[in-house]
Amino acid sequence: DAGITQSPRHKVTETGTPVTLRCHQTENHRYMYWYRQDPGHGLRLIHYSYGVKDTDKGEVSDGYSVSRSKTEDFLLTLESATSSQTSVYFCAISAGRGQGYTGELFFGEGSSLTVL
Amino acid sequence: AQSVTQLGSHVSVSEGALVLLRCNYSSSVPPYLFWYVQYPNQGLQLLLKYTTGATLVKGINGFEAEFKKSETSFHLTKPSAHMSDAAEYFCAVSDQSSTDKLIFGTGTRLQVFP
Repeated sequence: DAGITQSPRHKVTETGTPVTLRCHQTENHRYMYWYRQDPGHGLRLIHYSYGVKDTDKGEVSDGYSVSRSKTEDFLLTLESATSSQTSVYFCAISAGRGQGYTGELFFGEGSSLTVL
Repeated sequence: AQSVTQLGSHVSVSEGALVLLRCNYSSSVPPYLFWYVQYPNQGLQLLLKYTTGATLVKGINGFEAEFKKSETSFHLTKPSAHMSDAAEYFCAVSDQSSTDKLIFGTGTRLQVFP
């Protein structure tokens, strides 16, 4: 199994509070991604990173920011959480193009966030 | 732009029956296609993938999928369902940009009845 750890695994917070989710990988993969999973929507990309300090927006990035100061860590921050951000958040990693490239992503176990 | 459509948000089968989960894709380039499975309260696990070559792809747990370019489909099948197959299944296509983002379908929840 790919070494991906998400923390916290479960969090309940109140509207308006800041929240940071952490993704830590031990695979030294270049690419890291944050997705959110909601019923009827599947997984939607929030933000992704293609290297240290290199990040970009996905399709549902409003209300979220990210940072990547080290290869192994990718942080997702909700500056002021809202009830619409109640979701399950998944981190994923990819080695990117190179020998044996197949394009697949490896996923963490997910972080459940409830915003009251 | 790439996109994925999964027909049927819920599929129910009896144990031992054929499993068929449908996936159609849209892609402006030859696609890389994936099926992932998610068991309750877990992350996503890769079942199988198509990149190039043989269009019939075999995966884990007896699942297979066939890439049909003319139908823009990548349906997932298993000849005989087992109770342990109950899970949510996601079809995905790679956007094949340099950052390799995956675009997911909305998922199909498979129930298996005894």
